[in-house]
Amino acid sequence: GAGVSQSPRYKVAKRGQDVALRCDPISGHVSLFWYQQALGQGPEFLTYFQNEAQLDKSGLPSDRFFAERPEGSVSTLKIQRTQQEDSAVYLCASSLFTGTSYNEQFFGPGTRLTVL
Amino acid sequence: GENVEQHPSTLSVQEGDSAVIKCTYSDSASNYFPWYKQELGKRPQLIIDIRSNVGEKKDQRIAVTLNKTAKHFSLHITETQPEDSAVYFCAASRNTGNQFYFGTGTSLTVIP
Repeated sequence: GAGVSQSPRYKVAKRGQDVALRCDPISGHVSLFWYQQALGQGPEFLTYFQNEAQLDKSGLPSDRFFAERPEGSVSTLKIQRTQQEDSAVYLCASSLFTGTSYNEQFFGPGTRLTVL
Repeated sequence: GENVEQHPSTLSVQEGDSAVIKCTYSDSASNYFPWYKQELGKRPQLIIDIRSNVGEKKDQRIAVTLNKTAKHFSLHITETQPEDSAVYFCAASRNTGNQFYFGTGTSLTVIP
C-alpha cells in the first residue's frame, strides 16, 4: 500500500515568507507526528496529533510554527515569516495505534525547506 | 524530558567486520527503542526495535541489546556489507505521548 507522502519535496522561500508543508499519512493511521531534522542531526519532535486533536505541541520552536489536522487525516505544518534558522528537512510520520505498546512510526520522505 | 545520546558519530569498518553503535537514554519511563536507517536523501526506515520487557532481539545480521538498569541499548551489525552504509539513528519513546526522542546519528561506512 501507499506509504506516508509529503509535498512539496523541496521548498525555497525568501526570509519573511510564509510556507505550508503537507503530509498525507497512511490511511487509517490515528497518530501523526512532525519532526524537524537539521543537517547532520537526528529528527527533533515538533508536534503530535491523535486523529484531529493536537495532543502535544511542546516541540514547536516558536509561535511562527502552526500545525493542523482538521479532519484527522491530512496534516499541514505552516511556518510564518520564515527565518534562515528554519532551514531543515521537515519529516512527517504516522502510526496505527496510540497508548499501546505498538509504536512503530512510518516516515514520509520529508520536505527540504531552504530559507534564503 | 528524554535525552538520548549516541556514539560514535562516524564509524568505518571493513566489509565482513562487525559494527556496534551505542545509545544511552535518561528517562526511566521510556520503554520502546527503535533503530532507524537513513540513506542519503531518503526517509528513515525502521530496521529493528526492542521493548523494555526484552533484553535482546535478533533479525538475521542485526541485533539489538537493552540494559534497562544502565539505561543503554546497542545495535550490532554482523558481516557488514557495502549496502549497510547509511546513517543510523537510535530513539527512545514512552507508550504514552509516543513521540520519539532521537540520537544524533551514526554515519556508517562499510569499505569493500
